[in-house]
Amino acid sequence: DQQVKQNSPSLSVQEGRISILNCDYTNSMFDYFLWYKKYPAEGPTFLISISSIKDKNEDGRFTVFLNKSAKHLSLHIVPSQPGDSAVYFCAAIPRGGANNLFFGTGTRLTVIP
Amino acid sequence: KAGVTQTPRYLIKTRGQQVTLSCSPISGHRSVSWYQQTPGQGLQFLFEYFSETQRNKGNFPGRFSGRQFSNSRSEMNVSTLELGDSALYLCASSLQEGSEQYFGPGTRLTVT
Repeated sequence: DQQVKQNSPSLSVQEGRISILNCDYTNSMFDYFLWYKKYPAEGPTFLISISSIKDKNEDGRFTVFLNKSAKHLSLHIVPSQPGDSAVYFCAAIPRGGANNLFFGTGTRLTVIP
Repeated sequence: KAGVTQTPRYLIKTRGQQVTLSCSPISGHRSVSWYQQTPGQGLQFLFEYFSETQRNKGNFPGRFSGRQFSNSRSEMNVSTLELGDSALYLCASSLQEGSEQYFGPGTRLTVT
């Protein structure tokens, strides 16, 4: 039972344009959400997070939006750069769930120069 | 500050053997979590240790076990290896519950 879903396995974007990666979740107990970037044969790199008490968090070129009523979050990367090409995972932690991260299946982003 | 380190990076074992993987968290981090990544199942939570105690466990058989030492370093052990245990095993550390987890490079285990 996949509680965190990333329905787009891949996304291609031109350099300089906006990349929007989407994530949906089903468990209403999730209250902390994170985005990770991953290259092959490496561990995920933490990008940005958001608590369920917020609806937006920004860090440089990265912005995460959370829509709790829709159980949906998105990651915006502006402007996209070729170095952003990687697999992006969203993850969620349930309330009281210690550090059990529930991961989505990932979206492969390709930024075309 | 040094990141999360994992040893060994690559390992080849045969079915029926056992294996021990090691993880050193970021200095000051007391929580260590383990994850398995496979092409079919994605990234799945194995277990989490905090102050030498297992605080949370994922849905894996008892062949998968772990422990944490007083210096927060952690080991995970897989006994009676099966072909399906071939995966990238990732360790992550965090400062506290419900906060960002920082991952190591992983150990690639191949079971033949």
